[in-house]
Amino acid sequence: IAGITQAPTSQILAAGRRMTLRCTQDMRHNAMYWYRQDLGLGLRLIHYSNTAGTTGKGEVPDGYSVSRANTDDFPLTLASAVPSQTSVYFCASRRTGTAHLPLHFGNGTRLTVT
Amino acid sequence: ELKVEQNPLFLSMQEGKNYTIYCNYSTTSDRLYWYRQDPGKSLESLFVLLSNGAVKQEGRLMASLDTKARLSTLHITAAVHDLSATYFCAVDKETSGSRLTFGEGTQLTVNP
Repeated sequence: IAGITQAPTSQILAAGRRMTLRCTQDMRHNAMYWYRQDLGLGLRLIHYSNTAGTTGKGEVPDGYSVSRANTDDFPLTLASAVPSQTSVYFCASRRTGTAHLPLHFGNGTRLTVT
Repeated sequence: ELKVEQNPLFLSMQEGKNYTIYCNYSTTSDRLYWYRQDPGKSLESLFVLLSNGAVKQEGRLMASLDTKARLSTLHITAAVHDLSATYFCAVDKETSGSRLTFGEGTQLTVNP
């Protein structure tokens, strides 16, 4: 079934540790996004990529980095995790251009930083 | 900076009743989206509204867009328990690089 795969599903991480959240899509969408979801704050954009080889900062990029080496993969790295990064992380993708299409979302990664 | 606000944030209603969720945004926008999220699940696209006066309906849900007022509404008709979920609106602009800005979400509970 076509879609977005995120891994891991959940993770408990000690503060100061490095962590990479994986995201893979098989829909050949050019644009990919990372959001974090916190209660009462909705979804906030961390980083995005409009096409392979390019990335951009979203609303809350500090403490996170991304790469987009190819169309399918868009990993999110926390270089040195802090408790405020405890959240649910959603990867999303869509095809942009002339069609105004909604985002497709992965199932999320629940991250707890202790 | 584009801001998106939803009202109310929490809504408890009885089955069979009607209600409306409001979504206001701060600047002119090209596109408005509505999503549904069940507890512990991902987000599912409900509607895409692309022009002033656009109206979309699916079952008991109807969404509309007024770009002059910078307002979208999600109207629920004769609510049923299965509609219990969190509903998000989101807005994007071509000049933002096609990035969606989300509202805070409206947590809807439909009681028998």
